[in-house]
Amino acid sequence: KAGVTQTPRYLIKTRGQQVTLSCSPISGHRSVSWYQQTPGQGLQFLFEYFSETQRNKGNFPGRFSGRQFSNSRSEMNVSTLELGDSALYLCASSLASGGNEQFFGPGTRLTVL
Amino acid sequence: DAKTTQPNSMESNEEEPVHLPCNHSTISGTDYIHWYRQLPSQGPEYVIHGLTSNVNNRMASLAIAEDRKSSTLILHRATLRDAAVYYCILPTQGGSEKLVFGKGTKLTVNP
Repeated sequence: KAGVTQTPRYLIKTRGQQVTLSCSPISGHRSVSWYQQTPGQGLQFLFEYFSETQRNKGNFPGRFSGRQFSNSRSEMNVSTLELGDSALYLCASSLASGGNEQFFGPGTRLTVL
Repeated sequence: DAKTTQPNSMESNEEEPVHLPCNHSTISGTDYIHWYRQLPSQGPEYVIHGLTSNVNNRMASLAIAEDRKSSTLILHRATLRDAAVYYCILPTQGGSEKLVFGKGTKLTVNP
């Protein structure tokens, strides 16, 4: 069974630009969650999508958004990039039937210059 | 979100057992205890989870205190590949897959 895949793996953008990151969950998994990891703040929950609906949202500004498609693939978008958005963005998928393990992808390393 | 407390770092020698503690004194009766680890330059990976009874799998064992206010992840024979940050998490209840990560315990394994 293929794992969670994220594209691209590395990305360099400049301040003010926007970026779209993609996540393909494990086949059959209906929940996709996104996390931001920085050296200062650690791993922080961004949002979770289940059946194309946002089910939970972390404490991030509205510049961070996401969506989920009918095949469970998910994208997250960050608009008007700031230097502080430089981070590793991780996607995780699960069966979402309660108490299940989550499977993380390798992440997308975003650098904002 | 229920809070967990872990030591910042621990050290072990290769092929020796490692006991990683976690305190969760505010745990509720329905909270599962999950452990994840993050190897260098990788995303986190699930290790084990349990509710009340001790649990074993191919990676580790989880020992849960009788009052459930603490737990211990046990690596029976540490290898260099076990060097990672280990996170003890009480997943959010109520229909969400959200995980709240603390700072975890950085495990160093010496050859």
